Amino acid sequence: DVKVTQSSRYLVKRTGEKVFLECVQDMDHENMFWYRQDPGLGLRLIYFSYDVKMKEKGDIPEGYSVSREKKERFSLILESASTNQTSMYLCASSSPRQPQHFGDGTRLSIL
Amino acid sequence: ELKVEQNPLFLSMQEGKNYTIYCNYSTTSDRLYWYRQDPGKSLESLFVLLSNGAVKQEGRLMASLDTKARLSTLHITAAVHDLSATYFCAVVFKMTDKLIFGTGTRLQVFP
Repeated sequence: DVKVTQSSRYLVKRTGEKVFLECVQDMDHENMFWYRQDPGLGLRLIYFSYDVKMKEKGDIPEGYSVSREKKERFSLILESASTNQTSMYLCASSSPRQPQHFGDGTRLSIL
Repeated sequence: ELKVEQNPLFLSMQEGKNYTIYCNYSTTSDRLYWYRQDPGKSLESLFVLLSNGAVKQEGRLMASLDTKARLSTLHITAAVHDLSATYFCAVVFKMTDKLIFGTGTRLQVFP
């Protein structure tokens, strides 16, 4: 089975902190994605990556950056956390033109 | 811009009843996915629909796709409590692996 592992299930940080969310997949997938999920808004794509060191902006990249130094790992970075970034963050991976497999999510609270 | 509209947002239904969830999208796409999310859990892929007239069935769930109408439906037959979850449709953006998600339908099945 595909395993997508997010480093934390719950995280509490303070406004202005730099926050790192980590995601690791074990199926050698080329594609990796970061979403945020908010009630009534569904999932919105923040960033995605089709290959190592490659990244593309999704629909809501403002206030975020990403890093993919190794194929299996995709990191989401909140440069200076703000309260409006309190949300559930989901990581996913896939092979080209195949269904995305999701991690369990990180519920991030910014105080 | 690709937009995906899903309705209803919330569905409360009695066990044994039938109902349909609708997913409309605004521009052509070559793939549509249905996902299920249980409370506090990750998203699980249910169906992928590739072509006009495609129909997929798994247990009490049946998904169909009409690419001309840009409409997919998820039909629930004789609902049972175990089907209680949030269901998302997601449409592929152009010829990429980028998904645009609907807002989700929260289904609650009661005795």
